[in-house]
Amino acid sequence: GQQVMQIPQYQHVQEGEDFTTYCNSSTTLSNIQWYKQRPGGHPVFLIQLVKSGEVKKQKRLTFQFGEAKKNSSLHITATQTTDVGTYFCAGPGAGAGSYQLTFGKGTKLSVIP
Amino acid sequence: DVKVTQSSRYLVKRTGEKVFLECVQDMDHENMFWYRQDPGLGLRLIYFSYDVKMKEKGDIPEGYSVSREKKERFSLILESASTNQTSMYLCASILTSGYNEQFFGPGTRLTVL
Repeated sequence: GQQVMQIPQYQHVQEGEDFTTYCNSSTTLSNIQWYKQRPGGHPVFLIQLVKSGEVKKQKRLTFQFGEAKKNSSLHITATQTTDVGTYFCAGPGAGAGSYQLTFGKGTKLSVIP
Repeated sequence: DVKVTQSSRYLVKRTGEKVFLECVQDMDHENMFWYRQDPGLGLRLIYFSYDVKMKEKGDIPEGYSVSREKKERFSLILESASTNQTSMYLCASILTSGYNEQFFGPGTRLTVL
């Protein structure tokens, strides 16, 4: 079945440093979504990328979708303590029209003030 | 705002008990999902439903069943709870237009003793 791999599993950074998490799929994806889960919270949708090579920005967050549509990355510039949480990527499941998502295992970001 | 609610934030049950976890969404979404979330394993899909009375197995359905008698409500049932079902359970529903993003409930942390 489809697998979505995400690295690193954990990342500790000093406040102000940059952070990147990477997502790789075993199959070509029609789109990829990113979610953020704050400590004690639930996953919240951040963005969806659809086009090959697409780059989208949300303030200090930059999302990229690879040319082959099998990998993606999330980069945070100058991290802040509000960025703490676990970031998940997710790709569509194998069942057409089912709206299933296959989630990566997430990258847990800690920011040291 | 979409709201997905779950019946309990915390639940403690004994081995062998029948456990019901309830999820309600208020946005007339057709697709609903149950996940469990464990440290290091990410989000794993247990079951999903794409319509009333319709259900599909996810990646880890063993030991679980579901019920969807009304569009807004999706229940997860542990027929005979076991200690290895101690976990965080997250319900989600999906808007099937636009980004198809999943909206998550706050989660139920279930402990089986």
